[in-house]
Amino acid sequence: KAGVTQTPRYLIKTRGQQVTLSCSPISGHRSVSWYQQTPGQGLQFLFEYFSETQRNKGNFPGRFSGRQFSNSRSEMNVSTLELGDSALYLCASSAGTSGGPSSYEQYFGPGTRLTVT
Amino acid sequence: LAKTTQPISMDSYEGQEVNITCSHNNIATNDYITWYQQFPSQGPRFIIQGYKTKVTNEVASLFIPADRKSSTLSLPRVSLSDTAVYYCLAKGDTGRRALTFGSGTRLQVQP
Repeated sequence: KAGVTQTPRYLIKTRGQQVTLSCSPISGHRSVSWYQQTPGQGLQFLFEYFSETQRNKGNFPGRFSGRQFSNSRSEMNVSTLELGDSALYLCASSAGTSGGPSSYEQYFGPGTRLTVT
Repeated sequence: LAKTTQPISMDSYEGQEVNITCSHNNIATNDYITWYQQFPSQGPRFIIQGYKTKVTNEVASLFIPADRKSSTLSLPRVSLSDTAVYYCLAKGDTGRRALTFGSGTRLQVQP
């Protein structure tokens, strides 16, 4: 079974621009979560989508948004980029079924390294 | 969400057994304990999870005492490729997928 894929792997943008990152979950997985990882703040949860609906949201400004399509693929968008948005953006997928230990098994993609100059 | 505390870093040598202990004093009744491994510039990888006593898989063992206020990840006979950051998480099943990662433990394996 293919793993989680993220595109692009690397991206360089300038302040004020906007960016869209893409994530394809493992086949059959309906839950997609996004995380931001920086040296200073570590891994931080952005939001989770399940069946095209945002189910959970972290403490990030409204410049960070996302969506999920009917095939479970997800995109996240960051508008008006700031230097502090430079980070590794990780997508994770899980089966998303209700309850049970399997709900903790999130499978992460390789990430998109975003550099804002 | 239960707060977890782990050592910031550990050093070991190839072939040794490594035990990383995680403290989670305020763990809730429905919290599971999960460990992830992360290599530089890669996403975290699920290693093992458990609720109580001992769990073993092909990669590691997880020991959880009866009071569940701590847990120990045991990596048998580590190799250089086990050099990574290891995260301990304690999370209940609320139907939400938001994982809260702490600082993790940076394990350095020397030849």
